[in-house]
Amino acid sequence: AQKVTQAQTEISVVEKEDVTLDCVYETRDTTYYLFWYKQPPSGELVFLIRRNSFDEQNEISGRYSWNFQKSTSSFNFTITASQVVDSAVYFCALSLANTGNQFYFGTGTSLTVIP
Amino acid sequence: DVKVTQSSRYLVKRTGEKVFLECVQDMDHENMFWYRQDPGLGLRLIYFSYDVKMKEKGDIPEGYSVSREKKERFSLILESASTNQTSMYLCASSSLGWGGGAGNEQFFGPGTRLTVL
Repeated sequence: AQKVTQAQTEISVVEKEDVTLDCVYETRDTTYYLFWYKQPPSGELVFLIRRNSFDEQNEISGRYSWNFQKSTSSFNFTITASQVVDSAVYFCALSLANTGNQFYFGTGTSLTVIP
Repeated sequence: DVKVTQSSRYLVKRTGEKVFLECVQDMDHENMFWYRQDPGLGLRLIYFSYDVKMKEKGDIPEGYSVSREKKERFSLILESASTNQTSMYLCASSSLGWGGGAGNEQFFGPGTRLTVL
């Protein structure tokens, strides 16, 4: 069975602190995709990044970085120098190559950045 | 700019009413999805569709049905609304691409917050 676990339900940090959001996934498939989405208070989920199972290179985009480790089945997301605008709920999701575009979502991590 | 729109942001209905939630996408996407979002449970898939007039059950289809008569429109129907269907409902779409679109991002609408009294 497929599963995505985001153990951190809520995190609060003070502005300019770094914060890491954890994501652990379970699948027996060898070809899969991992995603991170941001849901600001407005409600609409915004796509942040996609990774396929054959690409373990870490990625950096501005203050955001992602660490994909197949050995620990983790796809963690770090925000450097957090800002108030980063306050949102963040979701990690898994998609398998043999089930089309069906996503398996984690339960989300609510991040609050305190000014 | 890609767009997924949902007919209402907020909706209040009475128990037993028939409820229609509409979703329209303008990206010519083949795949469309309905999720419900509840605190502590994340997003759970209700139904999805890979083509017109085609539907597949997700993880929690009970109490819901869907309709896809046109490619751009995917409707979620609550035949007889109940209080436990009070939730945030999110629609999403994605392109089919290769392999059913497994690696494609889903684009989400703003959500409909439904309250059933």
